Amino acid sequence: NAGVTQTPKFQVLKTGQSMTLQCAQDMNHEYMSWYRQDPGMGLRLIHYSVGAGITDQGEVPNGYNVSRSTTEDFPLRLLSAAPSQTSVYFCASSETHGSWQYFGPGTRLTVT
Amino acid sequence: SQQGEEDPQALSIQEGENATMNCSYKTSINNLQWYRQNSGRGLVHLILIRSNEREKHSGRLRVTLDTSKKSSSLLITASRAADTASYFCATYFAGGTSYGKLTFGQGTILTVHP
Repeated sequence: NAGVTQTPKFQVLKTGQSMTLQCAQDMNHEYMSWYRQDPGMGLRLIHYSVGAGITDQGEVPNGYNVSRSTTEDFPLRLLSAAPSQTSVYFCASSETHGSWQYFGPGTRLTVT
Repeated sequence: SQQGEEDPQALSIQEGENATMNCSYKTSINNLQWYRQNSGRGLVHLILIRSNEREKHSGRLRVTLDTSKKSSSLLITASRAADTASYFCATYFAGGTSYGKLTFGQGTILTVHP
């Protein structure tokens, strides 16, 4: 199993550009989530999904969109990048919404 | 807002010593999870303890949970240089909703000197 994979590993965007961070898991997990990690802030939940077609907002959803058309994939879309979105983004999955999570390696995003 | 608050923020010890990290939280929980993050990597789960459990062990790790004090601790015994990492607690609470959320603390940076 590859576990949770994320692409790209690094990305630099200009303010106003849009992009999609990709996340995929091959463990048939129903629960997937996106976090951002900023220095001194720990991880903050952006969006999560409890199954294909079902998504909900986390703690910091503004400026991000998600969809879940398949069990495997959970892309995160930045609609119009802002410098405040400079962060490290982690995707995670788990068997159910209460069980421990498997994390991807992260995407380091810089918005200039 | 962060649910879990970890203490200390940073801990520096010698190899062979024990390391204790504490986590306090504010609301009810269904379970509490501990994760490790090596520099520049994703998080790796260590132990999940349910709200009706008081203690769990995994190898050199021991986690305790006191729901009356809304606190948990992670003990790493006989630490090794390879234990150097950031350690996070995360609380899971579903409450009256169908789907709960996992909320992370800010983490403790552990440095183990050889």
